[in-house]
Amino acid sequence: DGGITQSPKYLFRKEGQNVTLSCEQNLNHDAMYWYRQDPGQGLRLIYYSQIVNDFQKGDIAEGYSVSREKKESFPLTVTSAQKNPTAFYLCASSIGARNYEQYFGPGTRLTVT
Amino acid sequence: DQQVKQNSPSLSVQEGRISILNCDYTNSMFDYFLWYKKYPAEGPTFLISISSIKDKNEDGRFTVFLNKSAKHLSLHIVPSQPGDSAVYFCAASAGAAGNKLTFGGGTRVLVKP
Repeated sequence: DGGITQSPKYLFRKEGQNVTLSCEQNLNHDAMYWYRQDPGQGLRLIYYSQIVNDFQKGDIAEGYSVSREKKESFPLTVTSAQKNPTAFYLCASSIGARNYEQYFGPGTRLTVT
Repeated sequence: DQQVKQNSPSLSVQEGRISILNCDYTNSMFDYFLWYKKYPAEGPTFLISISSIKDKNEDGRFTVFLNKSAKHLSLHIVPSQPGDSAVYFCAASAGAAGNKLTFGGGTRVLVKP
């Protein structure tokens, strides 16, 4: 079964701790993305990567970091510098840089208290 | 500044009738538009898309209309079914920006039996 997996589904952390969200895809897609969704709002782009070992900041990258060491993996670290980390985080992938259709994972709900 | 706006946060429609969802954009560089459907606590799923060289695209019960001069697109669902109850997001991409998508805030659709 091809798809995108995100783990865990729910994550709880104390304020001041860094936390890493996992995203894995077996679709052989070159491009991967991280979004966050807040209640009643649309998706906002955090980081994206169009190819292995390369990534760019999205619209709200402050307080986040990513790596893309393998084609199938694009982990997101929410650092203690992110002022409002509690949100629903979505990972997506697309075939390549010129393909607009993105496939999404099931999401991780992060709660920081 | 929101470049993609969905001004109706919610819509209620009777089963079997037509659902019309609207989306407005401000960036004249957008040349590809997509609609995604999202259930609670799940990732969005791709529904239908349209290129700026077209003014209509149809796929089964779903039709997207694009009015470039008005910077407006709409999604028609006919006939509406209870399973269509979800949040619908409009998204847009500018070719020069590669495959980055800018999302609207979403419209929650409730189809009543």
